[in-house]
Amino acid sequence: EPEVTQTPSHQVTQMGQEVILRCVPISNHLYFYWYRQILGQKVEFLVSFYNNEISEKSEIFDDQFSVERPDGSNFTLKIRSTKLEDSAMYFCASSEVAGDIYEQYFGPGTRLTVT
Amino acid sequence: KNQVEQSPQSLIILEGKNCTLQCNYTVSPFSNLRWYKQDTGRGPVSLTIMTFSENTKSNGRYTATLDADTKQSSLHITASQLSDSASYICVVTSNGGATNKLIFGTGTLLAVQP
Repeated sequence: EPEVTQTPSHQVTQMGQEVILRCVPISNHLYFYWYRQILGQKVEFLVSFYNNEISEKSEIFDDQFSVERPDGSNFTLKIRSTKLEDSAMYFCASSEVAGDIYEQYFGPGTRLTVT
Repeated sequence: KNQVEQSPQSLIILEGKNCTLQCNYTVSPFSNLRWYKQDTGRGPVSLTIMTFSENTKSNGRYTATLDADTKQSSLHITASQLSDSASYICVVTSNGGATNKLIFGTGTLLAVQP
């Protein structure tokens, strides 16, 4: 069964450094998403992406963040100048279409630890 | 402000017992309500999706209900198994933007003990 994959599973970085989190969505999916879950808190929407551009973003997704689909398979989240509060689990998701009842399939997540 | 609240925060039950988890939401515009299961350190996995017109939906031992008038939903788990131990998250989809935005509840952490 096709699934969303994410690398790395765990990333440790120092405050102020840049990190790139990678995701490979399900191959025939057209919509891509990033979510964040700080330890012990709810999952929060960051950004959605379609047709090589951002469709929607939350207030969390400020200039520190950027997304890119550098090739036909990868979808990346870049966090510039990381802060301690960026430590969280980052989930990538993809969906075939963005219709009301279409499922978003989540990857296993990347745990980002900023020290 | 769009919010999804769940109760209880955590629950411990014995294997084989049933349990019911609750979800209340204030989301507008409302598109659908989903229940997800999230194992520790993993991504959420969908259990059920219900639109405005659906009152109940089952997926094996999981049965979800939706009352769109009172903006409440429940997830009933029958004959619990050890593998049911996980966080159960109520998620409401709002279709007010360019794409459907998932609004997550805080989850109910379920522990099934032998």
